[in-house]
Amino acid sequence: QSALTQPASVSGSPGQSITISCTGSSSDVGAYNYVSWYQQHPGKAPKLMISEVSNRPSGVSYRFSGSKSGNTASLTISGLQAEDEADYYCISYAVTNTLVFGGGTKLTVL
Amino acid sequence: EVQLVESGGGLVKPGGSLRLSCAASGFTFSNAWMSWVRQAPGKGLEWVGRIKTKTDGGTTDYAAPVKGRFTISRDDSKNTLNLQMNSLKTEDTAVYYCTTYGGHCSGGFCYYYFHGLDVWGQGTTVTVSS
Repeated sequence: QSALTQPASVSGSPGQSITISCTGSSSDVGAYNYVSWYQQHPGKAPKLMISEVSNRPSGVSYRFSGSKSGNTASLTISGLQAEDEADYYCISYAVTNTLVFGGGTKLTVL
Repeated sequence: EVQLVESGGGLVKPGGSLRLSCAASGFTFSNAWMSWVRQAPGKGLEWVGRIKTKTDGGTTDYAAPVKGRFTISRDDSKNTLNLQMNSLKTEDTAVYYCTTYGGHCSGGFCYYYFHGLDVWGQGTTVTVSS
């Protein structure tokens, strides 16, 4: 069982917006602004999409954004495109000085 | 080009040992914290551990399932990260990824992503089975 809880799957049509939640505790997500999000296509290595809750690395589409409220972080993808179909993972730094991971969310673009 | 290339994966019996390596290029390896992440077949990502730079003490931290069995080390002279895995269990079967941790410096620029894993290798597969 993963330390952070994500929905197993979400779906949306092209052009729509979707949000993936990542719920932790006051010992991880709620303790720091160190939540990051990763995209993983089948058979590929994960790719950093968002760091420090809402920081978008260079080269990542503006359609990806992150936020946090209390013990829950969220990743929003606007203007869904077919290439966004992938697995998404959240990771948080924790008070134990380790990283804790979410179980992953499969995004289907209908 | 910033790149990480893992090697050393393979088939090993339960209780056995294996050593993975990760060759880094395109960035200042000695300035980068590094980590290992694994992914069991059909499962999600799982953190293995992290090593800081020598400047920051070179200390290591591990996830509970591997603590005491796995050891992360680095050779800055060879731009190489290592993962020594002992007392392997069937549940250690996974693809093992090498990553930078918290950012990296390349081409005169430094990119900081606090507690983020910004550069990933392609992974190497470890299978623990009798």
